[in-house]
Amino acid sequence: TQLLEQSPQFLSIQEGENLTVYCNSSSVFSSLQWYRQEPGEGPVLLVTVVTGGEVKKLKRLTFQFGDARKDSSLHITAAQPGDTGLYLCAGGNLGGSYIPTFGRGTSLIVHP
Amino acid sequence: GAVVSQHPSWVICKSGTSVKIECRSLDFQATTMFWYRQFPKQSLMLMATSNEGSKATYEQGVEKDKFLINHASLTLSTLTVTSAHPEDSSFYICSATDSTYEQYFGPGTRLTVT
Repeated sequence: TQLLEQSPQFLSIQEGENLTVYCNSSSVFSSLQWYRQEPGEGPVLLVTVVTGGEVKKLKRLTFQFGDARKDSSLHITAAQPGDTGLYLCAGGNLGGSYIPTFGRGTSLIVHP
Repeated sequence: GAVVSQHPSWVICKSGTSVKIECRSLDFQATTMFWYRQFPKQSLMLMATSNEGSKATYEQGVEKDKFLINHASLTLSTLTVTSAHPEDSSFYICSATDSTYEQYFGPGTRLTVT
């Protein structure tokens, strides 16, 4: 069973601060996704990374996939209250049925 | 594109009754649909994986006779919670994939059993 350790579990910061969320595993993944979920809604896909060492940027969000494809990070620059939500990473392997493994999530609160 | 709908968005039912939740992929054909359960401020717990035209594969600890899943077409899967009890109250979310590695989630269904 592949496991994804996500940290920190909770994060409460002030508007304007930077933060990083980590997703780590001892297993190699073909791809890894990051999702953001607001209360009472389904998760929304932010990004997919597939290549070791890959870096993707989405406005103030920077996603990195580790060289060995075992870990990933999400960095948010100058956080805003609108970034508040539950951030989830999910990894899986192609070949047969793709059933992703989810991290336990990082609950982020950005105070104005 | 890649929109998934869920119906109803919330439902309240009495203990002992059954509730059906629908999950539809609106603009793509979903070869696989997943059903998750989520408790407050926690991650998603996979309940079952459903492929069109075949029986669902349930995760360990999930009662297949209690949580009936039907995936009759490439755009529709249903989850029926049979003989619901208060401990079944939760947020149920479906997702769909078109054979790539990206899942698209529905907005979720809040089930409250009284």
